[in-house]
Amino acid sequence: DIQMTQSPSSLPASVGDRVTITCRASQGIYNYLNWYQQKPGKAPELLISAASKLQDGVPSRFSGSGFGTDFTLTISSLQSEDFATYFCQQSYRTPPYNFGQGTKLEIK
Amino acid sequence: EVQLVESGGGLGQPGRSLRLSCAASGFTFDDYAMHWVRQVPGKGLEWVAAITWDGAKTGYADSVKGRFAISRDNAKNYLFLQMNSLRAEDTALYFCAKDSRHCNGDNCYHYFDSWGRGIPVTVSS
Repeated sequence: DIQMTQSPSSLPASVGDRVTITCRASQGIYNYLNWYQQKPGKAPELLISAASKLQDGVPSRFSGSGFGTDFTLTISSLQSEDFATYFCQQSYRTPPYNFGQGTKLEIK
Repeated sequence: EVQLVESGGGLGQPGRSLRLSCAASGFTFDDYAMHWVRQVPGKGLEWVAAITWDGAKTGYADSVKGRFAISRDNAKNYLFLQMNSLRAEDTALYFCAKDSRHCNGDNCYHYFDSWGRGIPVTVSS
């Protein structure tokens, strides 16, 4: 199975900051990588598929990049509503559809 | 509007069974594969099971293989998860999720584009 590792586990930041979250796959997955945002008490929401394809309605301050084993989610200018937990997920060799352990974006 | 509403959770005893249901609406249910994903409160997401649009193929996480069974009723727009031989470590919030995909040439990318609100399952004596 392909294991997904995110870093950092928590990330203190301030409104207006540029933040980057990293996701690493245990083997190459081309660009079969999704990003989700989850707010407390809510279901996850899809942000990005295929490593860089922004879903309809997702603000353009979110972007994704990467190929192979290393991927990043970047928020160019953090807004208050972006404080949440972010998960990556591989969809290359499935099942299983493994997720990373999550990165909690916290107010500094 | 896509809606996924889980039901059937609650308290289950170790070794016993529970059956989760997910009522789907707002989309053509039998066009899409479906999944169950679980989350221990405050922890990460764990994919549990998947089923193809026609129910012909299923897949399971190693942690539930042989104990859980995913199924669907396309006539009634329902997804199910039969949970047998329950263990304390099955305690979690269970989400149903809709699979979707986009294709770029021969490459098709799958993702979970809609989720239910989740239903809690507690396994305890």
